[in-house]
Amino acid sequence: TQLLEQSPQFLSIQEGENLTVYCNSSSVFSSLQWYRQEPGEGPVLLVTVVTGGEVKKLKRLTFQFGDARKDSSLHITAAQPGDTGLYLCAGSSGTYKYIFGTGTRLKVLA
Amino acid sequence: DTGVSQDPRHKITKRGQNVTFRCDPISEHNRLYWYRQTLGQGPEFLTYFQNEAQLEKSRLLSDRFSAERPKGSFSTLEIQRTEQGDSAMYLCASSLVVLGQFFGPGTRLTVL
Repeated sequence: TQLLEQSPQFLSIQEGENLTVYCNSSSVFSSLQWYRQEPGEGPVLLVTVVTGGEVKKLKRLTFQFGDARKDSSLHITAAQPGDTGLYLCAGSSGTYKYIFGTGTRLKVLA
Repeated sequence: DTGVSQDPRHKITKRGQNVTFRCDPISEHNRLYWYRQTLGQGPEFLTYFQNEAQLEKSRLLSDRFSAERPKGSFSTLEIQRTEQGDSAMYLCASSLVVLGQFFGPGTRLTVL
């Protein structure tokens, strides 16, 4: 059974701080996505990574796919209150199915 | 196209009643997914359609759940004889390729 574990589960930080969220598995994925979800809404796709070692940047967010394609990280620089939300990673093995991680709930205090 | 839409956004029902939810995917997307999400958890896979064919249904789903996607366009998810444990957010997502999904806003179901 494929599992994706995210850490930390909860994170509360001050505006301007940096943070990193991790997504780990013992399984290899052909692609991995990161989503952000706000209360009462569906997840919003932030990025997809497909190549081992790949790094993608989206403004203050940096995403990295592990060399072995089993793990990923999301780094946020100078966090802002607008970054508050539930961050989810999801992996696919190349078929139609996605496995979602357990989620990291981030709160950025002004 | 404004993305994936779901209707209704909220549904409150009494235990034992039947409910039906609708999802309209992004028009050119042939893949459609239903998920269930409880508070603080990631989405849990329920079922998958490729065009009009339902290719997989989670073993976690009881026979009270059924989904359809007639003509490969919109989809419906029906829950019969609802139970309090069915209370959750029901999410629909669509995609064209296996490189990420686009989610609707969800339908929040409360079973009293």
